[in-house]
Amino acid sequence: NAGVMQNPRHLVRRRGQEARLRCSPMKGHSHVYWYRQLPEEGLKFMVYLQKENIIDESGMPKERFSAEFPKEGPSILRIQQVVRGDSAAYFCASSPLYAANNEQFFGPGTRLTVL
Amino acid sequence: AQSVTQLDSHVSVSEGTPVLLRCNYSSSYSPSLFWYVQHPNKGLQLLLKYTSAATLVKGINGFEAEFKKSETSFHLTKPSAHMSDAAEYFCVVSVDPNFGNEKLTFGTGTRLTIIP
Repeated sequence: NAGVMQNPRHLVRRRGQEARLRCSPMKGHSHVYWYRQLPEEGLKFMVYLQKENIIDESGMPKERFSAEFPKEGPSILRIQQVVRGDSAAYFCASSPLYAANNEQFFGPGTRLTVL
Repeated sequence: AQSVTQLDSHVSVSEGTPVLLRCNYSSSYSPSLFWYVQHPNKGLQLLLKYTSAATLVKGINGFEAEFKKSETSFHLTKPSAHMSDAAEYFCVVSVDPNFGNEKLTFGTGTRLTIIP
């Protein structure tokens, strides 16, 4: 059973470009979470999605950031007009419909560098 | 609202000596608690989790943690450190009042260094 997959693992963008980060949850998991880890910091929750629904986006910046989890295909975290402050590691996690004790399974992360 | 405080940002121990990484939590409900480890430029690996069953939880690689409600603590320990334990460790809390899915709240991390 493959784990949570994220791609690309590393992404370099220039200021003003768009970044698209993909996350494929574990097989059978219907919930996806995105977290951001700034340099030398812990992970901060961004958004929680089920298929075709955003459940909790309380951690998402109000502008330039969006997320989706379509009926088919991976979840996408999209950052428009990137700035240097967006440089971070972005982790995706997944869980099944009823996650025992809220256990989430993490992907390897996408490290975004904005030049 | 829940929160978690990791009391030490850096811990250094000699190889073969005990490890203690401290964590205190705050939660309005009965929490789920986790310890994750992150090796440099790697993803997160679950070490262990507290699930309201036994208060002493055993994890992988010889780590264990004890849930102490009276002290609101969930400290991580290991009897004998190994060089491969050098990594960043995160204490994590989650609240599950309705047995639903819930976001995780991470501590700021403790960097563990092992001295040869």
